[in-house]
Amino acid sequence: LAKTTQPISMDSYEGQEVNITCSHNNIATNDYITWYQQFPSQGPRFIIQGYKTKVTNEVASLFIPADRKSSTLSLPRVSLSDTAVYYCLVGDWMDSSYKLIFGSGTRLLVRP
Amino acid sequence: SAVISQKPSRDICQRGTSLTIQCQVDSQVTMMFWYRQQPGQSLTLIATANQGSEATYESGFVIDKFPISRPNLTFSTLTVSNMSPEDSSIYLCSVEVQGRLAGDGEQYFGPGTRLTVT
Repeated sequence: LAKTTQPISMDSYEGQEVNITCSHNNIATNDYITWYQQFPSQGPRFIIQGYKTKVTNEVASLFIPADRKSSTLSLPRVSLSDTAVYYCLVGDWMDSSYKLIFGSGTRLLVRP
Repeated sequence: SAVISQKPSRDICQRGTSLTIQCQVDSQVTMMFWYRQQPGQSLTLIATANQGSEATYESGFVIDKFPISRPNLTFSTLTVSNMSPEDSSIYLCSVEVQGRLAGDGEQYFGPGTRLTVT
């Protein structure tokens, strides 16, 4: 499974756009890139997933360059409630299961 | 999507005892996963539980210490056996909801069970 590297922490202010970049140099052909968000005392929550180019949903965008060795999660106009840990994961099918291995995550702090 | 509940939500246990954590899903799912998360740390996958077969354990985790049951498609248990203070952690279960394409599934997580071993 590919290993991911992302910044340990980031600070931002309300209303700003936040971009968190993750590198996954050893990503395999079959790997999807998935981002999860975790608040204290809660389980992680799926944010967005992509394979290549750009994916956008109601909460975030995910940018993946052509070589797929990195990806950037973009959170538009963050609010205080976006303070959380964000995990970038890559994984593929093993033993008929899409297995996720969590890296260290990025702790985002949004200030007023 | 899937809604997952776990019991207990938290417990304080004495060393040498065992605790069984229950995970209930509101829909039938094939794959369930058990993770451990120590305070301030990331999640570590313990094992994958497939209904009707033995659980598959990750490196560093063994069945004698973390026996898992998966009696049906909506329920699983994880037992933490012969506990020591090092087992103090949050234990989470998750389920996989497969997307339309291979590999584009999402995982949904339970709220976790906070275990303290004294």
